[in-house]
Amino acid sequence: GNSVTQMEGPVTLSEEAFLTINCTYTATGYPSLFWYVQYPGEGLQLLLKATKADDKGSNKGFEATYRKETTSFHLEKGSVQVSDSAVYFCALIAPSEGSTLGRLYFGRGTQLTVWP
Amino acid sequence: DAMVIQNPRYQVTQFGKPVTLSCSQTLNHNVMYWYQQKSSQAPKLLFHYYDKDFNNEADTPDNFQSRRPNTSFCFLDIRSPGLGDAAMYLCATSRRGVSTDTQYFGPGTRLTVL
Repeated sequence: GNSVTQMEGPVTLSEEAFLTINCTYTATGYPSLFWYVQYPGEGLQLLLKATKADDKGSNKGFEATYRKETTSFHLEKGSVQVSDSAVYFCALIAPSEGSTLGRLYFGRGTQLTVWP
Repeated sequence: DAMVIQNPRYQVTQFGKPVTLSCSQTLNHNVMYWYQQKSSQAPKLLFHYYDKDFNNEADTPDNFQSRRPNTSFCFLDIRSPGLGDAAMYLCATSRRGVSTDTQYFGPGTRLTVL
């Protein structure tokens, strides 16, 4: 089946610290991988994505590389800011599987808090 | 600029009183999804439409229904809300629903059941 496992939170960092949030997946076929961010009281925003092995997604200083050999898509940022405080979800979409077209499989989410 | 719009942002209803949540999109995407997100949990897919074709997740309760009268609009109807249905409801769209497409989410409607 398809599933995503991500690092349990919460993660608390000081401003300018280095961030890693681990994400691994199992999937049938070759999935696309996503990181979404959710700020308090809001919907999900796409942070970055990668659709094939060795692709690197990047946005707003965040990066993640699609590693097929380790089935991982770890999120990293070199220097976090207070405004990065949010919940981060790793997710995948498996190739079309019948009626569940484009279904996102989410990890449980990781709460990040950055202190000044 | 808004691409996926949900109304209302906050909805309060009483136990057993039907409620309808609304989603509209300006992206002209073929696929629209409804997710339920309970506190501190990942979103859970309830159902989706590809154009007018409706697809229900196997574990979505019968209490939840959906309508898509046209490409732009999709509604979530909860026929008899229970306390356990209190959650954030997220609408999302995708151009074709293939694995390489991005899903765009609305801001969500937070439902409170009294």
